[in-house]
Amino acid sequence: EVQLVQSGGGLVQPGGSLRLSCVASGFTFSNSWMGWVRQAPGKGLEWVANINQPGSVKKYVDSVEGRFTTSRDNAKNSLNLQMDTLRVDDTAVYYCARVDVFNNGWYDYWGQGILVTVSS
Amino acid sequence: AIQLTQSPSSLSASVGDTVTITCRTSQGISGALAWYQQKPGKAPKLLIYRASSLESGVPSRFSGSGSGTEFTLTISGLQPEDSAAYYCQHFNSYPITFGQGTRLEIK
Repeated sequence: EVQLVQSGGGLVQPGGSLRLSCVASGFTFSNSWMGWVRQAPGKGLEWVANINQPGSVKKYVDSVEGRFTTSRDNAKNSLNLQMDTLRVDDTAVYYCARVDVFNNGWYDYWGQGILVTVSS
Repeated sequence: AIQLTQSPSSLSASVGDTVTITCRTSQGISGALAWYQQKPGKAPKLLIYRASSLESGVPSRFSGSGSGTEFTLTISGLQPEDSAAYYCQHFNSYPITFGQGTRLEIK
């Protein structure tokens, strides 16, 4: 069974940092692109970032470029999102998700989501 | 960035009805479109990929169609458990974008 288990959310002040983690099981993690999608309270889904299998290609939405960094550790089946210089409008539930096995671009498995609140 | 516009933003229908949700893209994306269902407090669930392919385990009352710039999600024979928000997503190029969502209420 494919599982993505997230951790690391919480409350942080504007300008602060937070690191999210996502541990995968039930599939060969090193074979899959992975991604992050967020959802502000009461709002729709917003793509945040994707990372390729070895971690050498990373794509970001413009609004987080230069502030967020995604990485992965294939030996530990883990995906990370380092969020720096956080802003109030980064407040959202963050989901990690697996890109389909053929890397076409849809997300076939999702983590449970974790809330990040940026507030003073 | 490719913009995705869903319509309607919300709708209400009865058990057994058939409903259609439309997703229009600001430029052609061939069939690079997926549909998701999201229930309150839960992660999105993949329903349809490549515009018309049904994800394994998803009931056959869900179907997708379209190409180019106009796509539809159809739910036939609505069930109470179909009450949810539905989102389209393109994966033609970066940045990936989602539609704004359609909230479906079952009367």
